[in-house]
Amino acid sequence: NAGVTQTPKFQVLKTGQSMTLQCAQDMNHNSMYWYRQDPGMGLRLIYYSASEGTTDKGEVPNGYNVSRLNKREFSLRLESAAPSQTSVYFCASMRDSGNTIYFGEGSWLTVV
Amino acid sequence: QKEVEQDPGPLSVPEGAIVSLNCTYSNSAFQYFMWYRQYSRKGPELLMYTYSSGNKEDGRFTAQVDKSSKYISLFIRDSQPSDSATYLCAMINMDSNYQLIWGAGTKLIIKP
Repeated sequence: NAGVTQTPKFQVLKTGQSMTLQCAQDMNHNSMYWYRQDPGMGLRLIYYSASEGTTDKGEVPNGYNVSRLNKREFSLRLESAAPSQTSVYFCASMRDSGNTIYFGEGSWLTVV
Repeated sequence: QKEVEQDPGPLSVPEGAIVSLNCTYSNSAFQYFMWYRQYSRKGPELLMYTYSSGNKEDGRFTAQVDKSSKYISLFIRDSQPSDSATYLCAMINMDSNYQLIWGAGTKLIIKP
C-alpha cells in the first residue's frame, strides 16, 4: 500500500531555476495538500485541492503554482526558485470523513 | 496570536517516565483533534484522533481533550527511546471547509 508518494526526495536548485514536485495518492481521497516545514515554523499550508479540478491558496502561496491533474495527482511548481524557498515540502491527502490526513515522505529542496 | 499554541521544547525525559504534551487553542469551532508523530527526516504519521471532550486510550498513549478550557494533551506512559520524535497537534474546523490548523510541534527526547 503506497499511500502518498512524492518525488523527488532531494533537489538542489540554483536561484531562478524552475522545478515541479510531483505527488500521487492511491487512497481515492478528494482532498490533497502541499505544505512546507521550516524549523520553528511548523507546517504551513501552501495550496490545497478539495477535489479534482479545484485548487485554493493556503497560508504561504507566493512563488508557487499547483495543478490537480486528476484525482490521484497534485503537483507543486516553483517557477523561479528563491533561497527563501529552501525547505522540506510535504504532500498530503485527507480521508473524506475529514478525520485523518496522510503524508508523503517529504522532499528536501535547497535553493542556492 | 496563533490559533494553536504548542511548546516547541525540546522536552527531555528519562526512559520510563510519563510524558505530557500539550496544545491550547482559541477557536471554539475546532471539532476534530489529532496528534501526529514525526521522526527525523520523515513525514508526520497519525498517532491518535479524538472528536469529543474526554480521554481516549491506545496502548501507552492517552489523548485528552478539554473543550471548556480549549486544551488538549497527549500522555505517553512508560516512555521508550523509540518515542523520541516531534509531536504535532492538529485541529479541524468542520465549519470552515475542513480547515486544518497545526501546532508548531514539540520535540521529545527520551534518554536511555
